[in-house]
Amino acid sequence: DSGVTQTPKHLITATGQRVTLRCSPRSGDLSVYWYQQSLDQGLQFLIQYYNGEERAKGNILERFSAQQFPDLHSELNLSSLELGDSALYFCASSGGTIYTDTQYFGPGTRLTVL
Amino acid sequence: LAKTTQPISMDSYEGQEVNITCSHNNIATNDYITWYQQFPSQGPRFIIQGYKTKVTNEVASLFIPADRKSSTLSLPRVSLSDTAVYYCLVGDPNYNNNDMRFGAGTRLTVKP
Repeated sequence: DSGVTQTPKHLITATGQRVTLRCSPRSGDLSVYWYQQSLDQGLQFLIQYYNGEERAKGNILERFSAQQFPDLHSELNLSSLELGDSALYFCASSGGTIYTDTQYFGPGTRLTVL
Repeated sequence: LAKTTQPISMDSYEGQEVNITCSHNNIATNDYITWYQQFPSQGPRFIIQGYKTKVTNEVASLFIPADRKSSTLSLPRVSLSDTAVYYCLVGDPNYNNNDMRFGAGTRLTVKP
C-alpha cells in the first residue's frame, strides 16, 4: 500500500459526459501528479500540483483540468469525454519535485467511455 | 528534457541476473536517474534512484558510468514475480517542462 488513495476504482460513462477523479496523497506529501495510461501504452504525464499551485504541465488536453485543494487532495476533471479517453488514470504524490523525490502511485482509476 | 532509450522487451529465466540499460545521452548536470517497476493494472513502484557511480538497495543495483550518458538497472536472481515493465526516468529540475514522461519502458518476462 503506497498510502495514496484514488476514487473511484472503476468508472463507466458515455461519450460527451463529464467525470471527476479524486486523489488523496500520502500524509505529508505536497506534490500531486496525474498520469494517463492507455492500453499497452506508457505513462503519459498530465499535470503536477505542489501545495495547491500548478507546478508543471504535460500533454493535458484542454478538456481536462485539475486542482489541488487546501487539504492537499486533488481532483482531475475530464469533460466532453471521447472514446479515446478510456484509460487508467494514476495519481502519484511526493514530497517535492517530480524527479528528485520518489513518487508514490495510487491504485488508479479505470475509466471506460462507451 | 533528457530523453531516454530502453529496450522494448527482455526475457530471462528464474535465478538469473538481469541488466536493463537506459541511454540518456543528453543528461543534464542536475538530472537524477530513477527506475520504476509496474505490474499490470497497478501504479508504478519506485525501485532505485541515483546520480552517479553505484547505488544498491535491497531490491536492485544501479550502475552509472562517469559520463552518466547511460545507466544500468541490475536485478539479482530474478523470480517469476519480477515480470513487469521497468521504466527509466531522467530528471530535469525545470518544473515547467512540458515533456515529462516515463516512456514505453522495458517489458521484462521471467520464465521458469
